[in-house]
Amino acid sequence: GQNIDQPTEMTATEGAIVQINCTYQTSGFNGLFWYQQHAGEAPTFLSYNVLDGLEEKGRFSSFLSRSKGYSYLLLKELQMKDSASYLCAVRDNDYKLSFGAGTTVTVRA
Amino acid sequence: GAGVSQSPSNKVTEKGKDVELRCDPISGHTALYWYRQRLGQGLEFLIYFQGNSAPDKSGLPSDRFSAERTGESVSTLTIQRTQQEDSAVYLCASSFRAGPQYFGPGTRLLVL
Repeated sequence: GQNIDQPTEMTATEGAIVQINCTYQTSGFNGLFWYQQHAGEAPTFLSYNVLDGLEEKGRFSSFLSRSKGYSYLLLKELQMKDSASYLCAVRDNDYKLSFGAGTTVTVRA
Repeated sequence: GAGVSQSPSNKVTEKGKDVELRCDPISGHTALYWYRQRLGQGLEFLIYFQGNSAPDKSGLPSDRFSAERTGESVSTLTIQRTQQEDSAVYLCASSFRAGPQYFGPGTRLLVL
């Protein structure tokens, strides 16, 4: 089975940086994904790590350490529209995703 | 198509009735997934189809739930004898092999 932990809530100021941590304990590992989900909407794909290190994609970056079972999503230059839930998901060897409960990020002016 | 589509977008039904939810994946995507998301909670895996392989049904919560997929196209999720605890958003996603999963808009099911 999969055990995926991430903080429940985070609050940050517009223009600031926020780091959302995710730790996992899994029976198999074939990649870690981050999704953004606005209230009442479906999740949208943000980033994907399968090897250790940092993946940068505009204002969003994601880091993975497989030996530590740890990832983070870094959101830079926060905008009000970044207020959403951020989901960490681990893919097992059979390509099935297991999701964490999500971190609700609130961006304040 | 441009993205994953699902129908209906909303469904209200009475306890005990059967419902059928439809998912049209992105054209060319070999894998299709169904998830359930209860209000304020995370995504719960239900079932996974990959090409012509036998589906992974390990997440289906009871034998009232079943799903089918025709080749690499449309899938239907059927819930028989619906219960109030089945009320949730049912999300479908598709991917090309081991690529990222892309989600549809979901079907909001309310069982009265």
